[in-house]
Amino acid sequence: EVQVVESGGGLVQPGGSLRLSCAASEFTFSSYGMVWVRQAPGKGLVWVSHINSDGSSKNYADSVKGRFAISRDNAKNTLYLQMNSLRAEDTAVYYCAKNKEGLRFWGQGTLVTVSS
Amino acid sequence: QSALTQPRSVSGSPGQSVTISCTGTSSDVGGYNYVSWYQQHPGKAPKLMIYDVSGRPSGVPDRFSGSKSGNTASLTISGLQAEDEADYYCCSFAGSYTFVFGGGTKLTVL
Repeated sequence: EVQVVESGGGLVQPGGSLRLSCAASEFTFSSYGMVWVRQAPGKGLVWVSHINSDGSSKNYADSVKGRFAISRDNAKNTLYLQMNSLRAEDTAVYYCAKNKEGLRFWGQGTLVTVSS
Repeated sequence: QSALTQPRSVSGSPGQSVTISCTGTSSDVGGYNYVSWYQQHPGKAPKLMIYDVSGRPSGVPDRFSGSKSGNTASLTISGLQAEDEADYYCCSFAGSYTFVFGGGTKLTVL
């Protein structure tokens, strides 16, 4: 069964850093683009970042550009999101998903809380 | 990267049909046939219901259908069932591997 599992969330102070991971299984991870999407408490879904299959192309929402960095390790079937200079408004559940004919196979997400 | 516009809420009785609209611009919805729709129940992860405007993943009932006209995409749910009550989000490709979501629509089954 195709699965993605996000991890790495937690409580961090404003200005701090955190690295999220997304472990993928049961599909050829290296063949697909991947995305991060976030959802603030009680709010809607917001696209954060996309990376292509080999990691050579990376794109970001304006709200995180220059602060967040997406990467992947195809040998480990893992997607990452390095989050720096975190702000209160970055507080959200972060989901990863496979980009192929829509955003498929979402994990359960990992909660990031930015607060002092 | 402005959010796509969806109605905040829609409702219908069991057995009826409802349509949720999703309005963007020529830079997103109108420019590409890459609109997708997601269903999200409270506390759960989103689930893909429609891809590429009208494609339906295996396992999604054919009561769910999608369409697009100009800068507006639509999700229609026919034969409403109680389990369809959820939040629904549209999403469009917006060029250069960027994406934009709608604000979400709460569907209530009366």
